[in-house]
Amino acid sequence: ELKVEQNPLFLSMQEGKNYTIYCNYSTTSDRLYWYRQDPGKSLESLFVLLSNGAVKQEGRLMASLDTKARLSTLHITAAVHDLSATYFCAAKQGAQKLVFGQGTRLTINP
Amino acid sequence: NAGVTQTPKFQVLKTGQSMTLQCAQDMNHEYMSWYRQDPGMGLRLIHYSVGAGITDQGEVPNGYNVSRSTTEDFPLRLLSAAPSQTSVYFCASGSGGAGQPQHFGDGTRLSIL
Repeated sequence: ELKVEQNPLFLSMQEGKNYTIYCNYSTTSDRLYWYRQDPGKSLESLFVLLSNGAVKQEGRLMASLDTKARLSTLHITAAVHDLSATYFCAAKQGAQKLVFGQGTRLTINP
Repeated sequence: NAGVTQTPKFQVLKTGQSMTLQCAQDMNHEYMSWYRQDPGMGLRLIHYSVGAGITDQGEVPNGYNVSRSTTEDFPLRLLSAAPSQTSVYFCASGSGGAGQPQHFGDGTRLSIL
């Protein structure tokens, strides 16, 4: 059974700092997703990672995938307040079934 | 382009009542899913469909039914509502293409009293 764990679950950081969110998954999966959720809102797709060593970047966010370690990371560079949100990773199991991590609630303070 | 549309956005039910949460997508996606989101637990898969006429159970299917008569629609039925079903429900759709995400609706906030 595929399980996905994120850490940390809560993260408070200052603007301008760098930090990394970690996503571990327990069994083989051929796709890893990152989503962002603002309070009371839907999930917004950030990245889809397909292969070992995949790296994708969008603005101050960069995601990577190590399938051998079953680990994905979401790195935040020079954080700004607008990035405050909850971030979820999800691994694909079978045909389009997603197993989600618990989410990381990120608060960026001025 | 509406994407994934869920109705209603909010609903309050009494224990034992039944209701149907509606989900429609206009992207011609084969895959559709229902998730529930509870505090501290991320999203959990309830039921999913890989095409019209085909459905299967996810992680937490008990108390819910689904059907998929068309590609566009994937309703979720609560048979006899219980307080444990108080949650936020999200519908998602996807093409299944490599590198393509699942697209989520805005959610239905459901309270069972």
